[in-house]
Amino acid sequence: AQSVTQPDIHITVSEGASLELRCNYSYGATPYLFWYVQSPGQGLQLLLKYFSGDTLVQGIKGFEAEFKRSQSSFNLRKPSVHWSDAAEYFCAVAGGGSSYKLIFGSGTRLLVRP
Amino acid sequence: EAQVTQNPRYLITVTGKKLTVTCSQNMNHEYMSWYRQDPGLGLRQIYYSMNVEVTDKGDVPEGYKVSRKEKRNFPLILESPSPNQTSLYFCASSPFGEGNTIYFGEGSWLTVV
Repeated sequence: AQSVTQPDIHITVSEGASLELRCNYSYGATPYLFWYVQSPGQGLQLLLKYFSGDTLVQGIKGFEAEFKRSQSSFNLRKPSVHWSDAAEYFCAVAGGGSSYKLIFGSGTRLLVRP
Repeated sequence: EAQVTQNPRYLITVTGKKLTVTCSQNMNHEYMSWYRQDPGLGLRQIYYSMNVEVTDKGDVPEGYKVSRKEKRNFPLILESPSPNQTSLYFCASSPFGEGNTIYFGEGSWLTVV
């Protein structure tokens, strides 16, 4: 069965510092991978997605993620964090013939120190 | 503007009182689904629909019903709500085709007392 693990429940970084949020997935074939962000009181916004091709994916708001098949990982990175990036981040996987059903990780809450 | 609209956004209700959370999308998407979000569990799919009159169970369907009589609407029905259905609910939609983005509504906070 497909699953997604986000091992960090909370992460705190200083504004301007770099960020890496970890995501590991379990899936037999090549998965479709997503990162979503949820700001307080808001819905989910898609940051980026990987379907095929280049394993380094660029997204919105300066985020990028790298698909590493050998490590079953899809970590999210940003070189310099802004205070407005404080939010909850969800990694998700879809597959099994359907790119519509998403299996989500439990989320990582990002706190940004001024 | 492309939107998935849910109503109500916030609701406190009592055990056993039937309620419906509406979901409407203006993008002519075929696929729609409902998720619930609970602390430490991420989002889990409740039901989904591939098109009008086509619905199927997700991972946590117990206690919920859905219908898809029109392409744009996909209401979530709680016939007899219980406290364990207190959660944040999201509706989502997507067109068919690989690589298409799945759009989410802003969420509906439901508390059952």
